[in-house]
Amino acid sequence: QVQLLESGGGVVQPGTSLRLSCAASGFTIGNFEMHWVRQAPGKGLEWVAVVSPNGDIKYYVDSVKGRFSISRDNSKNTVYLQMNSLTAEDSAVYYCAKDMIRGRPDYFDYWGQGTLVTVSS
Amino acid sequence: EVVLTQSPGTLSLSLGERTTLSCRASQSVSNNYLAWYQQKPGQAPRLLIYGASTRATGIPDRFSGSGSGTDFTLTISRLEPEDFAVYYCQQYGNSFPNTFGLTFGQGTRLEIK
Repeated sequence: QVQLLESGGGVVQPGTSLRLSCAASGFTIGNFEMHWVRQAPGKGLEWVAVVSPNGDIKYYVDSVKGRFSISRDNSKNTVYLQMNSLTAEDSAVYYCAKDMIRGRPDYFDYWGQGTLVTVSS
Repeated sequence: EVVLTQSPGTLSLSLGERTTLSCRASQSVSNNYLAWYQQKPGQAPRLLIYGASTRATGIPDRFSGSGSGTDFTLTISRLEPEDFAVYYCQQYGNSFPNTFGLTFGQGTRLEIK
């Protein structure tokens, strides 16, 4: 069955970096766009970034452009989110999510359980 | 960016009742590319509806979606205990070619009365 397992979250100080990983199983990520979506404590969902199946096209929400970088290693069936210059506003549960249909960013049919990032001094 | 506004913010209803949740877009959502998700506390969201009206695999038929353009609704025909959760709409239509952004509504909390 399809599973997404995020890791790499933790408590970090403002201005530092963190890299999240999302290990997929049960399907081949190389066939789909893959996303990161976040949810601040007690708040709603915010889409963060998407990467195309072969990794050549990436999009980001404006608030993370220039600071976050999404990437993928299809040979490892894993997606990454490199987060730099973190601020308190980046504190959230970060979900990895699979796009349902290949070809363009759409909607998410599978989600991981999330990994919590807390940015605090 | 397409802003999605969900209403009401909170609904208090009883088991067996019928309810309609609203999602209004700040501009027309092309091709009715709108999805709905359900999220329970401590869990990841679950896809319910895509393409405004198509149920995802395994979703009970008491859930239905409708709408077009800027106004969309999610209807639950008879509330079951497991339906009390937060519901989010998400648009994926207005992303090309010059700008990109997948956006969510702020959510509607459905609580048991």
